Amino acid sequence: NAGVMQNPRHLVRRRGQEARLRCSPMKGHSHVYWYRQLPEEGLKFMVYLQKENIIDESGMPKERFSAEFPKEGPSILRIQQVVRGDSAAYFCASSPRLAGGAYEQYFGPGTRLTVT
Amino acid sequence: QQQVKQSPQSLIVQKGGISIINCAYENTAFDYFPWYQQFPGKGPALLIAIRPDVSEKKEGRFTISFNKSAKQFSLHIMDSQPGDSATYFCAASMGNYGQNFVFGPGTRLSVLP
Repeated sequence: NAGVMQNPRHLVRRRGQEARLRCSPMKGHSHVYWYRQLPEEGLKFMVYLQKENIIDESGMPKERFSAEFPKEGPSILRIQQVVRGDSAAYFCASSPRLAGGAYEQYFGPGTRLTVT
Repeated sequence: QQQVKQSPQSLIVQKGGISIINCAYENTAFDYFPWYQQFPGKGPALLIAIRPDVSEKKEGRFTISFNKSAKQFSLHIMDSQPGDSATYFCAASMGNYGQNFVFGPGTRLSVLP
């Protein structure tokens, strides 16, 4: 049973370009979360999605960032017009739908974005 | 308050010793407390988790102690090994399923051989 998959693992973009990060949840998982981790810091929640729905985007910056989880295919985190401050590791986590709660989140290996 | 505090920031332990990492929270609505282990360049891996209806949970060498009245919980690693050297994050979540996690800032553990 494959774990959470993310690609690319490393992404280099120049300032002003767009970054697209992809996440495929574990088989059978219907909830996807995106977190951002700056160097030497903990993970900060960005957005929570279910298929075709954004459930909670309270951690997303108001501009340039967007996320989707289409009916078919991976979840995408999109960053437009990247700036150096966007350089970070972006982690996707997925969670199963369990009776009484889907608490456990399983993380992918992350995408390390470097903006030059 | 959504913040989760974690200490110490870094910890050095001799092989065979006990590693103890502490976390504290303010929001009494939190009802799920996992610990994650992260190696450099890797994603966080779920280590062990606890709900507030129990005061302790043990899995192998890892134990969570939970003090609901003090709003504190801690991770104990018994017989620490060099392979345990990693960054450990506590987290908290609340409400019904699907809520996001609030993470502590992390503790970098080094176990000396």
